[in-house]
Amino acid sequence: NAGVTQTPKFRVLKTGQSMTLLCAQDMNHEYMYWYRQDPGMGLRLIHYSVGEGTTAKGEVPDGYNVSRLKKQNFLLGLESAAPSQTSVYFCASSYGQSGANVLTFGAGSRLTVL
Amino acid sequence: DAKTTQPPSMDCAEGRAANLPCNHSTISGNEYVYWYRQIHSQGPQYIIHGLKNNETNEMASLIITEDRKSSTLILPHATLRDTAVYYCIAGPAYNTDKLIFGTGTRLQVFP
Repeated sequence: NAGVTQTPKFRVLKTGQSMTLLCAQDMNHEYMYWYRQDPGMGLRLIHYSVGEGTTAKGEVPDGYNVSRLKKQNFLLGLESAAPSQTSVYFCASSYGQSGANVLTFGAGSRLTVL
Repeated sequence: DAKTTQPPSMDCAEGRAANLPCNHSTISGNEYVYWYRQIHSQGPQYIIHGLKNNETNEMASLIITEDRKSSTLILPHATLRDTAVYYCIAGPAYNTDKLIFGTGTRLQVFP
């Protein structure tokens, strides 16, 4: 049982390049999330999804796009990378049903934009 | 969504109990208190959550005051591997886009 898997773990981009981060979960969770974490700061929500085929904006969505074509996968795209998007990106998933909603996080993807 | 306040850092001797406080004075009746921790640069790890009653699991205990305006996470016998940033979050059961991770408390466990 792998939980939440993020690929790649590290990536270096040049300004203006595009890339996609992949998040995969094997827990049959309905909800999935993408966060970013900058040095010395907490996590900020970029986009999230409450089910297959759905996406919604979080706190800091500008410059990112997402897709949830399959329930187990949540993709985060950067169409034209900027140095301000240098960060560590975390994907998470949760069951999304009744009761407390506990998040399971991936190990993170460290992105550097030069 | 309730805002939480935590001390920026704390120290604890190995083997002693670590008591991490959290203030959430504006918490509403249907909001849970969640605790997560982040070891070094790893992904945050869920620890425990509670609504009104005190809770205990294999990792920690959560004590919530009767008025629910504050809580304490207790690691009963801290080890060096418990050195991490601990996040206290108040948020609803649903709509977990509303879970706000602040800067947390950096707990340093020393030998």
